Amino acid sequence: EDQVTQSPEALRLQEGESSSLNCSYTVSGLRGLFWYRQDPGKGPEFLFTLYSAGEEKEKERLKATLTKKESFLHITAPKPEDSATYLCAVQGYGGATNKLIFGTGTLLAVQP
Amino acid sequence: EPEVTQTPSHQVTQMGQEVILRCVPISNHLYFYWYRQILGQKVEFLVSFYNNEISEKSEIFDDQFSVERPDGSNFTLKIRSTKLEDSAMYFCASRATGYQPQHFGDGTRLSIL
Repeated sequence: EDQVTQSPEALRLQEGESSSLNCSYTVSGLRGLFWYRQDPGKGPEFLFTLYSAGEEKEKERLKATLTKKESFLHITAPKPEDSATYLCAVQGYGGATNKLIFGTGTLLAVQP
Repeated sequence: EPEVTQTPSHQVTQMGQEVILRCVPISNHLYFYWYRQILGQKVEFLVSFYNNEISEKSEIFDDQFSVERPDGSNFTLKIRSTKLEDSAMYFCASRATGYQPQHFGDGTRLSIL
């Protein structure tokens, strides 16, 4: 069964204090790994897709990396507006369509 | 930027009543999905829809649930006889083709009394 585990559950950082979020996954053939950002009361907002081990994607202060067992979302010099829940999701080759299997997310709070 | 639109934002319904949640996916997208998120839990897949038929459904998506694309723009989720445990945020998502990501709406909060 496809599974995604995210850690830590919650993370509090000072503005400018860099850190990383972890996403460990088990999937029967990885079609893609996705990072989303979710603000309170909103839907997941797409950030990145990673397809193969060794791949990296960057957007502003965020960088996502992928290995065969896990992905990291690195946050460099975060600002208060980066505060949100960050969700990791995988698509496997099992099943008829590209359904997403989500982790429980990491709640990030960046204090000024 | 195109976005997925969901209505209503909040629906309060008595247990046993029927409810319809509505979604307008991004216009050139071909694949449509419903997910739900019970408070404090993971986002869970319910159903996927392509070419006017269900492609895949989860164990949650039982006979009480149905989906429909009644016209070229709307995508609906119907729950025939709601239960207390159906209380959750329901998210609609759509995807273009190939390896494009799914884009989500802001959800409908369904509260069953």
